[in-house]
Amino acid sequence: DGGITQSPKYLFRKEGQNVTLSCEQNLNHDAMYWYRQDPGQGLRLIYYSQIVNDFQKGDIAEGYSVSREKKESFPLTVTSAQKNPTAFYLCASSTHGLSYEQYFGPGTRLTVT
Amino acid sequence: DAKTTQPNSMESNEEEPVHLPCNHSTISGTDYIHWYRQLPSQGPEYVIHGLTSNVNNRMASLAIAEDRKSSTLILHRATLRDAAVYYCILRDVGGSQGNLIFGKGTKLSVKP
Repeated sequence: DGGITQSPKYLFRKEGQNVTLSCEQNLNHDAMYWYRQDPGQGLRLIYYSQIVNDFQKGDIAEGYSVSREKKESFPLTVTSAQKNPTAFYLCASSTHGLSYEQYFGPGTRLTVT
Repeated sequence: DAKTTQPNSMESNEEEPVHLPCNHSTISGTDYIHWYRQLPSQGPEYVIHGLTSNVNNRMASLAIAEDRKSSTLILHRATLRDAAVYYCILRDVGGSQGNLIFGKGTKLSVKP
């Protein structure tokens, strides 16, 4: 089955630790995105990548880092510099062109204490 | 991306049609109208999109006003599985990022 996967579904970390969230897609999509969602809010863009080995900052990139070494994978690292990392993180992918839909993964709920 | 306005919440009865409104008075000629929905604790799911003409697919219909300043997502027979937050989003063909700009959406409750 084609789709986009994120792991793990729930993640717990202590403050001060870096943590990497996984995102993999087998849809052969060029573009991939990371969003963050806080309770009762819409999604906000963290980083996006339109092609392998290239990525751009979104609206709230501070305290996060990404890599795009393979077309299928777009991991997100939440660093200790992120002041409020507890949130629901969503990865998405799409073909090029804004008339095309984005496919979302199931999300990772990160809790930092 | 232009902004959209949606009611915070709506209620529907099971098996009845639901009309979810969206206002986008500042829409530009190149903005596509997209609808996504998000079930609790899940990622958003694409529902439908359109530019000028009304659109139908297996999930829903999208009715777009002639002046394009508003649109309505129509669920023909609501089921309990349709209870979700529905987001109306405008995407600019000329935009470089390609990301979706989400507002707070409309929380749809479906009563049995």
